[in-house]
Amino acid sequence: EDQVTQSPEALRLQEGESSSLNCSYTVSGLRGLFWYRQDPGKGPEFLFTLYSAGEEKEKERLKATLTKKESFLHITAPKPEDSATYLCAVQATSNMLTFGGGTRLMVKP
Amino acid sequence: EPEVTQTPSHQVTQMGQEVILRCVPISNHLYFYWYRQILGQKVEFLVSFYNNEISEKSEIFDDQFSVERPDGSNFTLKIRSTKLEDSAMYFCASRLDSNQPQHFGDGTRLSIL
Repeated sequence: EDQVTQSPEALRLQEGESSSLNCSYTVSGLRGLFWYRQDPGKGPEFLFTLYSAGEEKEKERLKATLTKKESFLHITAPKPEDSATYLCAVQATSNMLTFGGGTRLMVKP
Repeated sequence: EPEVTQTPSHQVTQMGQEVILRCVPISNHLYFYWYRQILGQKVEFLVSFYNNEISEKSEIFDDQFSVERPDGSNFTLKIRSTKLEDSAMYFCASRLDSNQPQHFGDGTRLSIL
């Protein structure tokens, strides 16, 4: 059974304080690892797809990396508008996504 | 930018009643999905739909659930006889092909009384 665990559950940062979110996964035959952002009352918004160990993707203040067991979402010099829940999901041999529990990020000005 | 649209945003229904949740996927997408998120829990897969048939479903998707693509634009989820434990946020998602990411709508909050 595919499993995804995210840590920490919640993270409070000061504006400009860089940090990393972790996503550990156990899956047979990874086809892709996905990062989404979810704002309160909204659906998940796609950020990145990573396909193989060693791959990195960047978008503004966010950078996602992938190893054979985990992925990190690094946030550099965050701003209050980066406050959201960040979800990690994996796709194995089927088309479905298996989600982690998310990390709730709060960035204080 | 094209987006997945879901209606209604909030549905309140009496236990035992039927409910239909509606979704308009992104227009050229071929794969369609329903997920749900019970308050405080993970997003869970329900069903995937491709080429006018169910391609995969989870254990949650029992005989009380059904999906339909009645025309070229809508994708619906029907719950025949709702239970209290069906209360959740239901998300529709679509993607262009199996190598592209899934794009989600903003969900329908279903409250069963």
